[in-house]
Formats: sequence, C-alpha cells, structure tokens
Amino acid sequence: KNQVEQSPQSLIILEGKNCTLQCNYTVSPFSNLRWYKQDTGRGPVSLTIMTFSENTKSNGRYTATLDADTKQSSLHITASQLSDSASYICVVAPNTGTASKLTFGTGTRLQVTL
Amino acid sequence: DSGVTQTPKHLITATGQRVTLRCSPRSGDLSVYWYQQSLDQGLQFLIQYYNGEERAKGNILERFSAQQFPDLHSELNLSSLELGDSALYFCASSRGPTGSYEQYFGPGTRLTVT
Repeated sequence: KNQVEQSPQSLIILEGKNCTLQCNYTVSPFSNLRWYKQDTGRGPVSLTIMTFSENTKSNGRYTATLDADTKQSSLHITASQLSDSASYICVVAPNTGTASKLTFGTGTRLQVTL
Repeated sequence: DSGVTQTPKHLITATGQRVTLRCSPRSGDLSVYWYQQSLDQGLQFLIQYYNGEERAKGNILERFSAQQFPDLHSELNLSSLELGDSALYFCASSRGPTGSYEQYFGPGTRLTVT
C-alpha cells in the first residue's frame, strides 16, 4: 500500500531559527514529490515539486531535498518567520500511466514563536 | 490566490439533509479533484474529473456524488448527511489528467452538520 509518513507530527521553534521536516514514502513507481504549506482553514499552497531525477529544489527560504534511493525527502526552512506557522504536507504522485491519485502525508504542524 | 474558486465558503446544515458544493477550476485547467479534510486529519482524495469524465475515484461514500459540467466547473453533492461528514472540502484543479501535473487548491468549503 502506498504510504507517506512525516515527522515530526508537530514542532515549535523560535523565530529566526532553522528547522527540517522529514518525509518517508513507499509510493512506487514514483513520478514526483511535492511539499505544500497549509495555513489553518485554508487550501494547501505548493512550495516545491521535484521529479525523481532532482535532488534539491529551493523556493525562497524553503529548500526541499529528495533521495529517491532511500525514498526520503526533507523540507528545510531557513530563518523562520511567524508567518511560517502552518502545516507542511508531503505529497507523492505515482507514475502509473493514467493514475492520478496522490498520496498525502498527514503533515507536520509548525509553530514559530517569538 | 490560486485561481480556483469554491462556493459557499461555509455551510451549516442538519443531519439527513443534502448539500451541493461548487468549484470553478483555474482558467485552462481540465482536471478537477475533490478532497475531504476532517479536523486535524490529512487530505482524503474523493474523486477526479477530467474534461467532463470521471477519471479516478478515491474514498468517496455512496452518499456522495460529483459531476463536471461542459464549462468545466464541478459540483460535489453530499446527501443523507451525518455528523461525521463535517469537514473542510477542497477542490483542486490541474491542466492535465495525471499526477505529473501541478494541482492548485481552492480555499475550501467548511461544512458543519448539526
């Protein structure tokens, strides 16, 4: 069964600090891996999308890495801001022809405090 | 703003009732996805339409149905509502039918069943 597991479940950090969120997946074959940011009660917003051949992708203070051999990805947030407080969701897309269902992780809830 | 619109924003109804949620995809997008997110839960894929045809089905209950119209907007119909159906319902759209295409999420409809 395709699964995406994220850790930690929740995280509290001080403003200005860095943090790294983890994602392990079992989806195979694999098309791409995405990281979304979801503010409470809002729709998810895409941060990065990586294919299996990409190792890293950045979007401002967000940097995602991917190791397709170990089926692991991480999202690194640099110099955190209060506005980074949100849930971060790892999503994996299968590469099975016409299949379109994504496998969602349950997310890491990040709280940035003063 | 993702370009995906959903109405209504909030909906409060009683058990046993029927409601319709509406989604307009981004201009040019042919795929529409529906997701359910219960409190503190991950996103659950319900169903996908591509250019008017049902493309993929997820964990959608028999009490729920959806369709995509010729103008590409989509409606999700929920009937015989139960307390457990209270959730955020998100619509997402993408250009193509498979998981390799980026999905853009709408702001969601919050459904409360009392």
